[in-house]
Amino acid sequence: DIQMTQSPSSVSASVGDRVTITCRASQSVSRYLAWYQQKPGEAPRLLIYGAFSLQRGVPSRFSGGESGTGFTLTITSLEPEDFATYYCQQAFKFPLTFGQGTKVDLK
Amino acid sequence: EAQLVESGGGLMQPGGSLRLSCAGSGFTVSSYYMTWVRQAPGKGLEWVSLLYGGGSTHYADSVKGRFTISRDNSKNTVFLQMNSLRVEDTAVYYCARSLPPELYFDSWGQGTLVAVSS
Repeated sequence: DIQMTQSPSSVSASVGDRVTITCRASQSVSRYLAWYQQKPGEAPRLLIYGAFSLQRGVPSRFSGGESGTGFTLTITSLEPEDFATYYCQQAFKFPLTFGQGTKVDLK
Repeated sequence: EAQLVESGGGLMQPGGSLRLSCAGSGFTVSSYYMTWVRQAPGKGLEWVSLLYGGGSTHYADSVKGRFTISRDNSKNTVFLQMNSLRVEDTAVYYCARSLPPELYFDSWGQGTLVAVSS
């Protein structure tokens, strides 16, 4: 199975901060990578697919990228509604797998 | 607008069976890949099963041989039959859809809670 590892596990930030979350796969997933946002008591929401593509209706402050250490989700300027848990998911091979999550909370 | 509504969750004893339903509206479930994802209390997301439009299926090893995903096109509904339930199956179960051929899930239900306890 492909293991997805996110870092950090949690991050404390303030409104207006830039936040970057990293997701590393245990083997290549090409660019078959998605990012989801989940708020307490709610279902996940698709933010980014294909590693870079912004899902319709998602604010442009969210972006997906790739670095030497894996894939990244960047929020350029945190808004109050962005405090949530974020998950990456590989869509390359079954079983589909998620990262363990990164909680973004208020500093 | 696409909507998914799950039902059928509840409290079960280990070894019991339960069938979850996921009713779709605003789109045709047979035209999409439909999946179940679960989340144990306080934990992360775990993919469970997927049903292709043509009827083929995939399962996580943890549920293979115990869970079965299926669909009733006349009701635009997807099901998850859960047999031989274990304590570790306790979770909120979400259904979600993806537009073929992708495996990214763009619409999710609100979830239904399955609790397995003696």
